[in-house]
Amino acid sequence: EVQLLESGGGLVQPGGSLRLSCVASGFTFSNYDMSWVRQAPGKGLEWVSGISSTGGSTFYADSVKGRFTISRDKSKNTLYLQMNSLRAEDTAKYYCAKEYHYGSGSYYNEWGQGTLVTVSS
Amino acid sequence: DIQMTQSPSSLSASVGDRVTITCRATQGVSNSLAWYQQKPGKVPKLLIYAASTLQSGVPSRFSGSGSGTDFTLTISSLQPEDVATYYCQKYNNDPLTFGGGTKVEIK
Repeated sequence: EVQLLESGGGLVQPGGSLRLSCVASGFTFSNYDMSWVRQAPGKGLEWVSGISSTGGSTFYADSVKGRFTISRDKSKNTLYLQMNSLRAEDTAKYYCAKEYHYGSGSYYNEWGQGTLVTVSS
Repeated sequence: DIQMTQSPSSLSASVGDRVTITCRATQGVSNSLAWYQQKPGKVPKLLIYAASTLQSGVPSRFSGSGSGTDFTLTISSLQPEDVATYYCQKYNNDPLTFGGGTKVEIK
């Protein structure tokens, strides 16, 4: 059974930093691209960042480019999101999602339960 | 970047009704379109990929169609357990943009 377990969320002041982690199990982590998707309270889904299976390619939404860094550690089966210079508008539940490559792209066939990030003074 | 627009943003229908949600892309995405269901307080769940292929375990009352820029998710006979917000997502290239969502309620 695939499991994605996020952690690292919490309350942080504007301008602060947090590192989110997502521990994967039940599949060969190093074979799959992964993403972070967020959802602000009462709002829709927003793709934040993605990383290739090898870690060699990373992608970011314009809203987080230059502030967030995605990475992965295959020895620990763990996906990370380093979030710096946090803003109130980054307040959201952050989901880790496993990509399934199909055709010309990848969709999300597995999601974690999410970790809540609140940016407030 | 390609934008995805869903309509309506919300709807209310009776049990047994046929429900249709549309998703439009600002540029063609071929058939690289997925639909997700998110029940209140729950994690999103994949319903359909490749515009019309039902994910394993998803009830057959759900169906998808379309290609290029215009897509449709149909629930042939709405059930109480279908109360949720539905999102489309294009995945032909990055960014993997979602539509704004359609909230489905029971009348």
